[in-house]
Amino acid sequence: KQEVTQIPAALSVPEGENLVLNCSFTDSAIYNLQWFRQDPGKGLTSLLLIQSSQREQTSGRLNASLDKSSGRSTLYIAASQPGDSATYLCAVRYNDMRFGAGTRLTVKP
Amino acid sequence: GAGVSQSPSNKVTEKGKDVELRCDPISGHTALYWYRQSLGQGLEFLIYFQGNSAPDKSGLPSDRFSAERTGGSVSTLTIQRTQQEDSAVYLCASSSLSGIAGGNEQFFGPGTRLTVL
Repeated sequence: KQEVTQIPAALSVPEGENLVLNCSFTDSAIYNLQWFRQDPGKGLTSLLLIQSSQREQTSGRLNASLDKSSGRSTLYIAASQPGDSATYLCAVRYNDMRFGAGTRLTVKP
Repeated sequence: GAGVSQSPSNKVTEKGKDVELRCDPISGHTALYWYRQSLGQGLEFLIYFQGNSAPDKSGLPSDRFSAERTGGSVSTLTIQRTQQEDSAVYLCASSSLSGIAGGNEQFFGPGTRLTVL
């Protein structure tokens, strides 16, 4: 069964901290993995896409890693800001796309 | 347009009525996806189009749900005889490369919030 799990479900940090969000998946035969953010009442914004052959992707303060063999991905956010507050979703691409339940991040000023 | 657009942004309907939700993908994107996000739940895959054909309809929750895509562009998701459990945000996404294994990034629209009274 292809399941995607995100830990923690919620995270609250003070502004400026570095933080890591975790995503794990049960079936390693993935095509790619994508991280999104979702702001309340809004759609999804794509943050980073990692192909199955890649180990990591970086964009600004964000770095996502992928370890297919262990079924894990992490999203690292450096120097967090209050504007980073959102729900972060991990999505794994099989023949369809499986989403984790998300991590709700709050960055306090 | 610059991104994926969906209409309406909000739809309130009475139980038993039919509704149509529309998605305009990014111009040139061959693949189009529909998802549903129910309150307090994760995102659920509904259906995927490659061009005008739908090779994977496995996620449609019942035969009241159908979708079509014409001209390789706009898609319509239709829910017949709506039920209260159909209340959710319906999200559409598109990607540029053909085929599931293309593995291209999906870009999402803002969603349609459906409320069935």
